Amino acid sequence: SQTIHQWPATLVQPVGSPLSLECTVEGTSNPNLYWYRQAAGRGLQLLFYSVGIGQISSEVPQNLSASRPQDRQFILSSKKLLLSDSGFYLCAWHPTVSGNTIYFGEGSWLTVV
Amino acid sequence: RKEVEQDPGPFNVPEGATVAFNCTYSNSASQSFFWYRQDCRKEPKLLMSVYSSGNEDGRFTAQLNRASQYISLLIRDSKLSDSATYLCVVIHTGGFKTIFGAGTRLFVKA
Repeated sequence: SQTIHQWPATLVQPVGSPLSLECTVEGTSNPNLYWYRQAAGRGLQLLFYSVGIGQISSEVPQNLSASRPQDRQFILSSKKLLLSDSGFYLCAWHPTVSGNTIYFGEGSWLTVV
Repeated sequence: RKEVEQDPGPFNVPEGATVAFNCTYSNSASQSFFWYRQDCRKEPKLLMSVYSSGNEDGRFTAQLNRASQYISLLIRDSKLSDSATYLCVVIHTGGFKTIFGAGTRLFVKA
């Protein structure tokens, strides 16, 4: 069966520090991969999605970036965090077969102080 | 206008009540529809898919009306454990873009 994992689960980072969140999917190949952010009490905001290695689409302008160095690995990064980057970050995958739904990792709670 | 809109909530209901959530979507290219449940400080999890013919899973019934671009979720005999945020989800044709509603918070009280 397919599984998705992301880490770290929680982190507290100072303003201006770098960020790296990692996500891996097991048990499938060539998945669509996504990074979402959920601010406190708000809905899910799509940040990036990827349909293949090295292919990244950005949905919103920001100081975050994403990379997909391997088929089942998706990384979210920042060179310098802002206070507004605080939130709940969720990695997700979606089979490339149309009609199937999306599955989330456990999420990463980021607090920028 | 948001592409997927849900009842603002929160819904506060007693145990045993029947509660209905509504969701509308604006993009006719939308192809697949789902309801997710999200517990506090947890990731969203798939509750059920939504089909035009309507589908039922125990106390939960989902309906899709493509002509009106409207999705609903009915929960019968509410339990305390149903307290959560319910998200309406739409996937576009091609499967690349998944759009989430902002969610509706449900509180079930004893």
